[in-house]
Amino acid sequence: EIVMTQSPATLSVSPGERASLSCRASQSVKNNLAWYQQKAGQAPRLLIYGASTRATGIPARFSGSGSETEFTLTISSLQSEDFAVYYCQQYKNWPPMYTFGQGTKLEIK
Amino acid sequence: QVQLQESGPGLVKPSETLSLTCAVSGGSVTSVNYSWNWIRQSPGKGLEWIGCIYDSGRTTYNPSLKSRVTISVDTPNNQFSLRLRSVTAADTALYYCARNTLFLAMGASDSWGQGTQVTVSS
Repeated sequence: EIVMTQSPATLSVSPGERASLSCRASQSVKNNLAWYQQKAGQAPRLLIYGASTRATGIPARFSGSGSETEFTLTISSLQSEDFAVYYCQQYKNWPPMYTFGQGTKLEIK
Repeated sequence: QVQLQESGPGLVKPSETLSLTCAVSGGSVTSVNYSWNWIRQSPGKGLEWIGCIYDSGRTTYNPSLKSRVTISVDTPNNQFSLRLRSVTAADTALYYCARNTLFLAMGASDSWGQGTQVTVSS
């Protein structure tokens, strides 16, 4: 099983500033990496797939980068609605065995 | 715009079978473009992918749950279901159904239901 490790567990950032969230895979997943945003009481929302492609309707301030085992989600200028928990997920395996990171909570500083 | 809605009992006794259904609207469970997934979330394990079913009826399961899980599709009613046998307290979680668009990213879930809480307790 591929283990996904996110850091930090909690990130405190001021509105308007940039946030960078990290995700590391225990082995190469190539670019088969997705990022989700989850707000309290809601289902996760897909932000990024293929490590760097924004999903439909996702604002340009969200960007993803990385490949193989190291990935980053960057939010260029934080808006109030961006404070949430973010998860990475790998989907490299075949047959499928998708695994998620434990999440990074992005909180207001 | 596809919508997914989970339904089923919120309380299941230990050793019994958990059964959930996901009703799909605005899209077809028979489309070759999608897989239909079950994912659960608990404070202890975080987000855990359970398995999925494709238009052909082929299924793939998380190896850690494979011996207890069955996912099936009900084409006339455009819904798919989850059965998890021999449940324990460790199966207590918020259960989501979700759709993956295969030609974009096989494993990325781009539409989710709102989730249904299942508690395993006597």
